[in-house]
Amino acid sequence: GAVVSQHPSWVICKSGTSVKIECRSLDFQATTMFWYRQFPKQSLMLMATSNEGSKATYEQGVEKDKFLINHASLTLSTLTVTSAHPEDSSFYICSARGDWTYEQYFGPGTRLTVT
Amino acid sequence: KNEVEQSPQNLTAQEEEFITINCSYSVGISALHWLQQHPGGGIVSLFMLSSGKKKHGRLIATINIQEKHSSLHITASHPRDSAVYICAVNSGAGSYQLTFGKGTKLSVIP
Repeated sequence: GAVVSQHPSWVICKSGTSVKIECRSLDFQATTMFWYRQFPKQSLMLMATSNEGSKATYEQGVEKDKFLINHASLTLSTLTVTSAHPEDSSFYICSARGDWTYEQYFGPGTRLTVT
Repeated sequence: KNEVEQSPQNLTAQEEEFITINCSYSVGISALHWLQQHPGGGIVSLFMLSSGKKKHGRLIATINIQEKHSSLHITASHPRDSAVYICAVNSGAGSYQLTFGKGTKLSVIP
């Protein structure tokens, strides 16, 4: 089956620094990648949708200058949290879909803690 | 905008019990997904369906397009089935974004 990896699985950083999270589709070409944020005991919240080679589409209320998304290839998308603050601490999950399906394949998630 | 409702929110069952989780949505869809999220956080796609019924091992998913309703059944439940089960839908043809239900937290007790 289709596999999506995320790196790192967890990260702790100091307030004011930037953190990059990678999302890779390992065995298929991801036409579209999605980035989600999940707070404890809540459902996933879509942050942005990215298609390879084009700018990401951000959901209302998500700061595009703070959450930089790059989808430079059909197998890699990155989310950079710039000038992180404690309120950015959360669980970030990516998913990817190929051309042939509505199905999304989820990465294992990255737990970000900003101190 | 599609509204996705799941019930129950929480469910505790004894091992071997038959479990049903329900999902209803408000607007026509192109596909419905059942996802499983374990305490560690990773999400696994269990089923994607647009009509009828699918079965995988002890899991069965059904959908009634006319009634805008889907059910996920677990037969002979086991403690390892304890997880959050999430229903999500693609609304309309060519809509690849998912709208999520709030999830059902299942705890199976030995």
